[in-house]
Amino acid sequence: QKEVEQNSGPLSVPEGAIASLNCTYSDRGSQSFFWYRQYSGKSPELIMSIYSNGDKEDGRFTAQLNKASQYVSLLIRDSQPSDSATYLCAVNFRRGNKLVFGAGTILRVKS
Amino acid sequence: GAVVSQHPSWVICKSGTSVKIECRSLDFQATTMFWYRQFPKQSLMLMATSNEGSKATYEQGVEKDKFLINHASLTLSTLTVTSAHPEDSSFYICSALNRVPGELFFGEGSRLTVL
Repeated sequence: QKEVEQNSGPLSVPEGAIASLNCTYSDRGSQSFFWYRQYSGKSPELIMSIYSNGDKEDGRFTAQLNKASQYVSLLIRDSQPSDSATYLCAVNFRRGNKLVFGAGTILRVKS
Repeated sequence: GAVVSQHPSWVICKSGTSVKIECRSLDFQATTMFWYRQFPKQSLMLMATSNEGSKATYEQGVEKDKFLINHASLTLSTLTVTSAHPEDSSFYICSALNRVPGELFFGEGSRLTVL
């Protein structure tokens, strides 16, 4: 099992729809979780961080965390073509105290 | 969000030369910085963890004598690619850990092309 697993995609959604991005992780003791967005040829940009079970909303973005299931997701409401990018899930592993990244999910929003 | 500045953003060099890349945290002190490498259409690969005032910790398979890391202050870490070869051509990205609230911010990246 990969330490942080994401579906590589591409995930295609029409403009205005909800995009749902999922991530699972292997370290049950992890406490900090992050979503980054990376446009082609650019470095990653932090979108959301979440530390507690449940939902955390910020504008069109909602992060959801379920530690019992070792699952974290990112919902993007009213998806826009400018949201088209690779979304990286990152988990702070207690083992080694390091941030482990998933391989990323490619999102394509079609107008 | 916090600002991490990386310089240069792109560099072209001849094979056998050395290249230095700087990473600065502009609005917070970063005791820990990380260096990543990313090849086209691949995910980020952690190369090393840079700790202020101590030796860097390299990931398995990364040559410490080839990729020299110096973290001399709380706001600056440097990566020097020594005796660069074409296979070292890649996108190098630094990041700095802001301990409160424990978030990682990335620099803009440096695209290295070795001829």
